[in-house]
Amino acid sequence: QVQLVESGGGVVQPGRSLRLSCEASGFTFSNYAMHWVRQAPGKGLEWVAVISHDGKSEFFADSLKGRFTISRDNSKNTLYLQMNGLRAEDTAMYYCAKDIRFVVVTAVHDYWGRGTLVTVSS
Amino acid sequence: EIAMTQSPATLSVFPREGATLSCRANQSVGNKVAWYQQKPGQGPRLLVYGASTRATGVPARFSGSGSGTEFTLTISSLQSEDFAVYYCQQFNKWPPTFGQGTKVEIK
Repeated sequence: QVQLVESGGGVVQPGRSLRLSCEASGFTFSNYAMHWVRQAPGKGLEWVAVISHDGKSEFFADSLKGRFTISRDNSKNTLYLQMNGLRAEDTAMYYCAKDIRFVVVTAVHDYWGRGTLVTVSS
Repeated sequence: EIAMTQSPATLSVFPREGATLSCRANQSVGNKVAWYQQKPGQGPRLLVYGASTRATGVPARFSGSGSGTEFTLTISSLQSEDFAVYYCQQFNKWPPTFGQGTKVEIK
């Protein structure tokens, strides 16, 4: 069965960096676009970024451009989110999510991980 | 970006009763709407996409409808495991955006 397991979260000071990972299993990782979605404590869902199945295309939420980068290693079935210049408002649970369509990016997320919590605080 | 507004914020329902959740977009999104269920401590679960297509393994008591700017998720007879928060999402235009959620609680 499909499994997505995020890791790398923790407490970090404002301005510092953090890299999140998402290890995938149960499907052919290299055939699907992958997304990051975040959820601030007690709040709703906010889409963060997507990377195409082959890693050649990326899109970000406008508010995050320039601070966050997304990448993937298809040989390791792993998705990454590099977060730089972290701010208090980046405090959230970060979920990785699989796109539903083979090769095509739709932004329909058919499988999600359990998330990794990032807390930005001095 | 497209704003998605859900109503009500909270819905109190007796078990085995039906529930209707609404979602409105501030511009047309065609049928490019998905619905997700989220329980405490878990990632969301896809229920419906394309406004009315149930995702794999989703019980038939969940049904989606609507097009353009008005969408509905109907749960025909709530089971104990259905009490959760539900989010709609549009995927017609980038960036994809979510509603603020409707919490379905036990009455």
